[in-house]
Amino acid sequence: QVELVQSGSELKKPGASVKVSCRASGYTFTSYGVSWVRQAPGQGLEWMGWVATDNGDTNYARRFQGRVSMTTDTSASTAYMELRNLRSDDTAVYYCARDARGSSGLAYWGQGTQVTVSS
Amino acid sequence: DIVMTQSPDSLAVSLGERATINCKSSQTVLYDSNNKNYLAWYQQKPGQPPKLLINWASTRESGVPVRFSGSGSGTDFTLAISSLQAEDVAVYYCQQYYNTPWTFGQGTKVEIK
Repeated sequence: QVELVQSGSELKKPGASVKVSCRASGYTFTSYGVSWVRQAPGQGLEWMGWVATDNGDTNYARRFQGRVSMTTDTSASTAYMELRNLRSDDTAVYYCARDARGSSGLAYWGQGTQVTVSS
Repeated sequence: DIVMTQSPDSLAVSLGERATINCKSSQTVLYDSNNKNYLAWYQQKPGQPPKLLINWASTRESGVPVRFSGSGSGTDFTLAISSLQAEDVAVYYCQQYYNTPWTFGQGTKVEIK
């Protein structure tokens, strides 16, 4: 069965960086892209960007460009999201999610990683 | 960016009754070349990640109960729950994947009346 397992909660100070991992199993990792979506406390879903797991191409939401990097390690079937220069409003649950067939939505989701930014 | 607007923000429906959620996009998400609407619906229960219910505006994912149905085309879409069950209490989101950045509606909270 398809499973995405994310790394654990993080507590960071403003200005720091965080790197969240997402280990995939149950399918061929390089066959589907991975998106990162975040959810601030009590708020809705925000798409941050997407990484092609076969060649590493990326597509970032404009508001995160310059501050985010999405990468993969195909040998470990793992995707990574690094967010730099953290601010308090980056406090959120961060999810990785695998494309559905034909890139028709996000079919499988990780359990989420809580990132808290506080001085 | 395509703005997705859902209505209502919340609704309370009696068990066994019909619930309807609307989603409007600021521009069409219908791709002319294949006549497909690039629109998905998700269900999110408290403390859980979202779950994909429907894509292509009306195609249920495997395992999704038949009481969930999606309809609409172009810029106006609807998610209906034909007979609300207790386990359907959740927040529902629409999402367009027509172009990036992929965008979500603000969510609709469904509760039991």
